[in-house]
Amino acid sequence: DTEVTQTPKHLVMGMTNKKSLKCEQHMGHRAMYWYKQKAKKPPELMFVYSYEKLSINESVPSRFSPECPNSSLLNLHLHALQPEDSALYLCASSQVPTGESYGYTFGSGTRLTVV
Amino acid sequence: AQRVTQPEKLLSVFKGAPVELKCNYSYSGSPELFWYVQYSRQRLQLLLRHISRESIKGFTADLNKGETSFHLKKPFAQEEDSAMYYCALSNAGGTSYGKLTFGQGTILTVHP
Repeated sequence: DTEVTQTPKHLVMGMTNKKSLKCEQHMGHRAMYWYKQKAKKPPELMFVYSYEKLSINESVPSRFSPECPNSSLLNLHLHALQPEDSALYLCASSQVPTGESYGYTFGSGTRLTVV
Repeated sequence: AQRVTQPEKLLSVFKGAPVELKCNYSYSGSPELFWYVQYSRQRLQLLLRHISRESIKGFTADLNKGETSFHLKKPFAQEEDSAMYYCALSNAGGTSYGKLTFGQGTILTVHP
């Protein structure tokens, strides 16, 4: 298995809802990432987990809460989001945090719409 | 702070013509550089890593530390090369260890 799998593919949520995005990889990668991508823009890093510990938080608002239950799973819990949070949320993984060995593998993303 | 610059937002060439997508970077340490490609409605895919010096789909990229550049080249463009291309830099140390920074991207269109 050489893929990063993200679920759901699409999500529509109200501003008062609580939802979660899920990411899974079975490549034995020890670093996992959340990125946010707006249309026609590059991905922007949100969080980095290295060996299941949060190593980077790019000053992301607390309405986004990451969780890494084990080395294969990464969740992003969403609560009280704003319409401007609508975007494609990408998960990625790499063998080591620098991506030195084989680069970063990206999932196909969850397209989130906040109404 | 690390930075990646792709000066061309759009690049159009005809099939069979050479193509070069420019990438310049700013980084105080030894960079790890990548090219990613995003075809329409598909996920980001790794195209090249500077560390491997490989050629994928006819594309090559050479790291020039003197000019802080990592330009992507292909001698004969094909229509299927039409896509968004991102140059990216990985931080190999310090407090931002593991951070991947992307350039703004270049949309390549190859005309028949």
